[in-house]
Amino acid sequence: SQTIHQWPATLVQPVGSPLSLECTVEGTSNPNLYWYRQAAGRGLQLLFYSVGIGQISSEVPQNLSASRPQDRQFILSSKKLLLSDSGFYLCAYQTGRDTEAFFGQGTRLTVV
Amino acid sequence: KQEVTQIPAALSVPEGENLVLNCSFTDSAIYNLQWFRQDPGKGLTSLLLIQSSQREQTSGRLNASLDKSSGRSTLYIAASQPGDSATYLCARLTGGGNKLTFGTGTQLKVEL
Repeated sequence: SQTIHQWPATLVQPVGSPLSLECTVEGTSNPNLYWYRQAAGRGLQLLFYSVGIGQISSEVPQNLSASRPQDRQFILSSKKLLLSDSGFYLCAYQTGRDTEAFFGQGTRLTVV
Repeated sequence: KQEVTQIPAALSVPEGENLVLNCSFTDSAIYNLQWFRQDPGKGLTSLLLIQSSQREQTSGRLNASLDKSSGRSTLYIAASQPGDSATYLCARLTGGGNKLTFGTGTQLKVEL
């Protein structure tokens, strides 16, 4: 069966510190992978998506970057966090185009 | 630009009531629509995926319909229970079937 793991669950980081959030998928090959952010009281915003290793598409200009070093691993990073980077970050995958999407349990990031 | 709207934003009902959540979208591109539930502080749980060629999908007490001509989807919950309390999100697949565009959600509370 397919599963998605996302960690850590919660993170408190000072302004200007680096960030690395990791997401891994098991039970499928070459999934489409996604990073979303959900700010308080707002909807989900797509940040990055990847249809293959090394293929990253960015949806919005921001202080964040994403990488896909392995087929089923998706990493969200920042060199220097801003207060505005606080939010709930969700990783998701699809087994292919136009298929059902599944989400991880999310990471609550608070930048202080 | 694809937009997804959900009405109502919040809903409170007594246990046992049947209810309908609404989702409308602006473009007529033929892609799938997916319904999710989100519990506070948690990730998204997939409820139903309606393929673009389908008119409805059912899972237990849930029934979702899709009317592409009017740009609407509804999620019907039968015999609501307190455990159904959550935020319900609909999302359209866009970008060639590789991206989900989310509505802002309906926050449902089912009271004893």
